[in-house]
Amino acid sequence: EVQLVESGGGLVQPGGSLRLSCAASGFTFSSYAMTWVRQAPGKGLEWVSGISGSGDSTNYADSVKGRFTISRDNSKNTLYLQMNSLRAEDTAVYYCAKDRVILANAWFESWGQGALVTVSS
Amino acid sequence: DIQMTQSPSSLSASVGDRVTITCQASQDISNFLNWYQQKPGKAPKLLIYDASYLEAGVPSRFSGSGSGTDFTFTISSLQPEDIATYYCQQYDNLPSFGQGTRLEIK
Repeated sequence: EVQLVESGGGLVQPGGSLRLSCAASGFTFSSYAMTWVRQAPGKGLEWVSGISGSGDSTNYADSVKGRFTISRDNSKNTLYLQMNSLRAEDTAVYYCAKDRVILANAWFESWGQGALVTVSS
Repeated sequence: DIQMTQSPSSLSASVGDRVTITCQASQDISNFLNWYQQKPGKAPKLLIYDASYLEAGVPSRFSGSGSGTDFTFTISSLQPEDIATYYCQQYDNLPSFGQGTRLEIK
């Protein structure tokens, strides 16, 4: 059974940094692309960033480009999202999701339970 | 960027009703379109992929159709457990979601 467990969320001041982790189990982690999707309180879903199975290819939404960095450690079956220069509008639940293939950011077939990030002074 | 426009934004229907949600893309995305269900406090769940293919284990009352810029998601007979918010998502380019349709029981 696929399991994705996010951690690292919390309260951070504007301009601060935070790193989210997503521990994966139940599948061959390196064989699948992974994605981060966020949801601001009471709002819809927003794709944030994606990474290929090998980690060689990454993509970002314009809203986070230059501030967020996605990475993965296939030896630890863990996905990361390093978030710098955080803003109030980054406040959201952040979900990691498993894709169906190794390269694309397309079919988000399994999701974690989410990690809440609150940016506030 | 490809914009996805869902309608309606909210919908109230009775148990047993046929429910239809539409999603329009700002440019041709072929069939690169998925539908998700999100229940309150839960993560989204993939229901339909590639516009019309039912994800394994999803009840057959759910269906999808369309290609190009116009897509439709249908629940043939609404059940109480279908109360949720539904999102379309394109993956022709960088992924993007529609704004969601909140479905309530009348």
